[in-house]
Amino acid sequence: GAVVSQHPSWVICKSGTSVKIECRSLDFQATTMFWYRQFPKQSLMLMATSNEGSKATYEQGVEKDKFLINHASLTLSTLTVTSAHPEDSSFYICSARGPADYEQYFGPGTRLTVT
Amino acid sequence: GQNIDQPTEMTATEGAIVQINCTYQTSGFNGLFWYQQHAGEAPTFLSYNVLDGLEEKGRFSSFLSRSKGYSYLLLKELQMKDSASYLCAVIENDYKLSFGAGTTVTVRA
Repeated sequence: GAVVSQHPSWVICKSGTSVKIECRSLDFQATTMFWYRQFPKQSLMLMATSNEGSKATYEQGVEKDKFLINHASLTLSTLTVTSAHPEDSSFYICSARGPADYEQYFGPGTRLTVT
Repeated sequence: GQNIDQPTEMTATEGAIVQINCTYQTSGFNGLFWYQQHAGEAPTFLSYNVLDGLEEKGRFSSFLSRSKGYSYLLLKELQMKDSASYLCAVIENDYKLSFGAGTTVTVRA
């Protein structure tokens, strides 16, 4: 149980275009999901907390107009990188909070490359 | 806020034991996690400590001292497949995870 999927697993896009990444909890409902970004040889950095039915909470330094988050259902959160630039190239990982508040289940990640 | 420190790299031989230390300073504490991450993959859960003491799970054990803001992950009987990055993460009162920079463990034959 407690499986989280992400789609796509990797994507290449041109500079200036937008990319949408989906995060799904497959066998449980997740009122809260988290979006992380990881640059090569660095740790995971929390970008935002996504709450079902309400606006996402962004961490300091993360542009909410550039990284649009929608959590329209208890099993799906989406992250849209708008007007992507090469510096947005990174590994994006989502996690979903489980029944116990401290539990987080990670998706397999999405590798974004902006050319 | 939080400050989580762990060594950058460690190297050990197959069959040996390695201990990865993690120190933290947080404004609130709801537990400490250890994750394993292979290159290009998402982290996988290894352990969760919220009370002081040692938690043992097969070849992996994790220890926590809340008063000292200190934890370690002990990897025994090292195997080549254990070569990975090991992430220490603290969950605070708002249930957000804060990660350390990770320790890259290289296991040599």
